Amino acid sequence: EIVMTQSPATLSVSPGERATLSCRASQSVSSNLAWYQQKPGRAPRLLIYGAATRVTGIPARFSGSGSGTEFTLTISSLQSEDFAIYYCQQYNNWATFGQGTKVEIK
Amino acid sequence: EVQLLESGGGLVQPGGSLRLSCAASGFIFNNYALSWVRQAPGKGLEWVSSIRAGSDSTNYADSVKGRFTISRDNSKSTLYMQMDNLIADDTAVYYCATGGGNDNFDVWGQGTMVTVSS
Repeated sequence: EIVMTQSPATLSVSPGERATLSCRASQSVSSNLAWYQQKPGRAPRLLIYGAATRVTGIPARFSGSGSGTEFTLTISSLQSEDFAIYYCQQYNNWATFGQGTKVEIK
Repeated sequence: EVQLLESGGGLVQPGGSLRLSCAASGFIFNNYALSWVRQAPGKGLEWVSSIRAGSDSTNYADSVKGRFTISRDNSKSTLYMQMDNLIADDTAVYYCATGGGNDNFDVWGQGTMVTVSS
């Protein structure tokens, strides 16, 4: 099983600042990596797939990078609606999720 | 509009069974892999099971293997999850999603709550 590890567990950021979230895979997943956003009481929403491709309608302030075992989700200027939990997920070998990073207001 | 609507959740005793359904609309159901993902209260997301578009390939998380069975009825555009021998750790919101089987999860349902308790 491929283990996905996200860091940090919690990220405190002020509105307008940049947020950088990390995700590491226990073995290479190539570019088969997705990022999801989840708000309380809601289903997750796909933001990024293929490590770096934004889903249609996702604002350009969200960007993904990386390949192999190291990945990053960057939110360039946090807006109030961006405070949520973010999960990475590999789909190179079926599926596993990271444990999530909570982005909270500083 | 692409939609997934789960149903069938509820309260069940340990050792009991439950069948979840996920009704799909707005896309060509036959062409898509489908999956179940769950989330225990206050916890993260856990992939549970996926079934590929042709229905001949399925896979399960180790935590449910041998107890859960995923299936699909393409004529009804519906995904199912038969859950047997339920344990307390199966308590979670269960989401169905398009994708899985080497694809990301594109569209999600709103989820259905399963509570295993005596």
